[in-house]
Amino acid sequence: DAKTTQPNSMESNEEEPVHLPCNHSTISGTDYIHWYRQLPSQGPEYVIHGLTSNVNNRMASLAIAEDRKSSTLILHRATLRDAAVYYCIPINYGQNFVFGPGTRLSVLP
Amino acid sequence: DAGVIQSPRHEVTEMGQEVTLRCKPISGHNSLFWYRQTMMRGLELLIYFNNNVPIDDSGMPEDRFSAKMPNASFSTLKIQPSEPRDSAVYFCASVAPGGIHQPQHFGDGTRLSIL
Repeated sequence: DAKTTQPNSMESNEEEPVHLPCNHSTISGTDYIHWYRQLPSQGPEYVIHGLTSNVNNRMASLAIAEDRKSSTLILHRATLRDAAVYYCIPINYGQNFVFGPGTRLSVLP
Repeated sequence: DAGVIQSPRHEVTEMGQEVTLRCKPISGHNSLFWYRQTMMRGLELLIYFNNNVPIDDSGMPEDRFSAKMPNASFSTLKIQPSEPRDSAVYFCASVAPGGIHQPQHFGDGTRLSIL
């Protein structure tokens, strides 16, 4: 399984963009990169996933480095509701999800 | 649409007692996962089922833990006898057919306290 490194915590101001980095330098060529987040007192929820190309959905954007050794989750306008722990998870077929410590995002009003 | 439903939301019991946690996955989903979350160890996968069959139970901590999925709409995680170190939040998640491209849908968890 690929190892990941994420900042323990980050802060953002409300309505500003947030860039959450993840380093996965040991990723294999066929690992997908999934992002989940966990709001306080809730189970994790899916945010986005990708393989090589940048991806967008209604929640966020995922920018994947050309060498795939890192990726960045982009929240275009942070709201108070985006305060959560964000997990970056490389995964391939036949593997199980491994949730690391993640990045705790605080959003300041 | 109803999401993954877990019960109870909270359970407080004395050590040595049997504890049963319940999960109803989203209709149509064919994979189900049980996780445990603690401050010390984070979120850990305990066991997962595919089409009601246990596929990987390597995360089950010891024989005191058992899980069943008698049908596609119900699963249980049982701890007997319970110990204080089992105190944690237990999550159930289900996934639609389609492999790793499908997101895991988590329930709100059961917060278990063993006194």
